[in-house]
Amino acid sequence: GENVEQHPSTLSVQEGDSAVIKCTYSDSASNYFPWYKQELGKRPQLIIDIRSNVGEKKDQRIAVTLNKTAKHFSLHITETQPEDSAVYFCAASFPYNTDKLIFGTGTRLQVFP
Amino acid sequence: DAGVIQSPRHEVTEMGQEVTLRCKPISGHDYLFWYRQTMMRGLELLIYFNNNVPIDDSGMPEDRFSAKMPNASFSTLKIQPSEPRDSAVYFCASSLAPWGTKGADSNQPQHFGDGTRLSIL
Repeated sequence: GENVEQHPSTLSVQEGDSAVIKCTYSDSASNYFPWYKQELGKRPQLIIDIRSNVGEKKDQRIAVTLNKTAKHFSLHITETQPEDSAVYFCAASFPYNTDKLIFGTGTRLQVFP
Repeated sequence: DAGVIQSPRHEVTEMGQEVTLRCKPISGHDYLFWYRQTMMRGLELLIYFNNNVPIDDSGMPEDRFSAKMPNASFSTLKIQPSEPRDSAVYFCASSLAPWGTKGADSNQPQHFGDGTRLSIL
């Protein structure tokens, strides 16, 4: 069935370094890819999203890239700060039913000062 | 702006009891989603509604789970009878309808509520 694989499951970086989280989706018909940040005990919050008609999108220190051929998409955080520490989830729309999202398993990012 | 509002924030009850979780979507949003989050299974979609009508309930784990949306501003997720394995955080999310004809640029983001942490003893 449809699934989204997310790597790594944990990521530790020094403050100021970059962090990259990668996701792979299974069906080329998926066309919407949001990223959510979830702090401990809080709700998932949308931080950026990308659609299949776009290859890259940036918002300040956050960028997302999409490779439709390889069915990969990645989140890039530059100049990381301790407040970036959280669990990050990627998601992909279900093929042929774009109302629904399939979520990855999450990446726990720790940024050390 | 008021976001998605869920209640209660925490619920602790004994197995066998009925549990009702509540959600108020963002005003004007046409879609409402119920998710369950556990360490083992991550974020799972249970059911979603469009204009108050259930569209896909394939994620509802068992007949013990039911969901309703009697109007555009209120939805409930009910578990009866509850079991310890139902312990999880339950999130409600809402979104606007896709723009125009569904396609690559039509999706609208889902906005999550603060969740209900449910513990069944």
